[in-house]
Amino acid sequence: EPEVTQTPSHQVTQMGQEVILRCVPISNHLYFYWYRQILGQKVEFLVSFYNNEISEKSEIFDDQFSVERPDGSNFTLKIRSTKLEDSAMYFCASSGDNSRANVLTFGAGSRLTVL
Amino acid sequence: GDSVTQMEGPVTLSEEAFLTINCTYTATGYPSLFWYVQYPGEGLQLLLKATKADDKGSNKGFEATYRKETTSFHLEKGSVQVSDSAVYFCALAGGTSYGKLTFGQGTILTVHP
Repeated sequence: EPEVTQTPSHQVTQMGQEVILRCVPISNHLYFYWYRQILGQKVEFLVSFYNNEISEKSEIFDDQFSVERPDGSNFTLKIRSTKLEDSAMYFCASSGDNSRANVLTFGAGSRLTVL
Repeated sequence: GDSVTQMEGPVTLSEEAFLTINCTYTATGYPSLFWYVQYPGEGLQLLLKATKADDKGSNKGFEATYRKETTSFHLEKGSVQVSDSAVYFCALAGGTSYGKLTFGQGTILTVHP
């Protein structure tokens, strides 16, 4: 069964450092997403991406965050200058055409720890 | 805004017991409703979904019915197995924003032999 893969599975970084989380969505999917889950809290929507541009973003997704699909297969989330409160599990997801756009396939997550 | 509330966990059951995990929601319009499951070390997997009132989603023995009158989407299974031990998330997709899911807090289910 096709799956979404994420790397790294765990990253530890110092506050203020840049972090890039990588994702390989399912190859024929058209919509791409990032979600995060702070320990003990709900899974939260960050951003959706379609047709090489952001289609929607939450208020969490401020100027410190950016997304990119650099080569047609990878989908990345960059945090420019990490803060302690960015520590969370970050989930990438993808979905297919309009009729199945709300049926998301999630990756296993990348755990980010900011010290 | 949209919100989803799940019953407090964790839930611990013996094998073959009946499972109910309650989920209620607040949303404008007519959202689609989902249950996702996360097994240890894996991503969230879609378990079942319902897109309109009175729809019943089902998969792997799990069922949930979209109840608009009570704004609920409770997850049930008649006889749980040890392999059902996981975290279960109720979620909704409202409006016209594709893939923008609002999640509940998740319920940890542990099933003992």
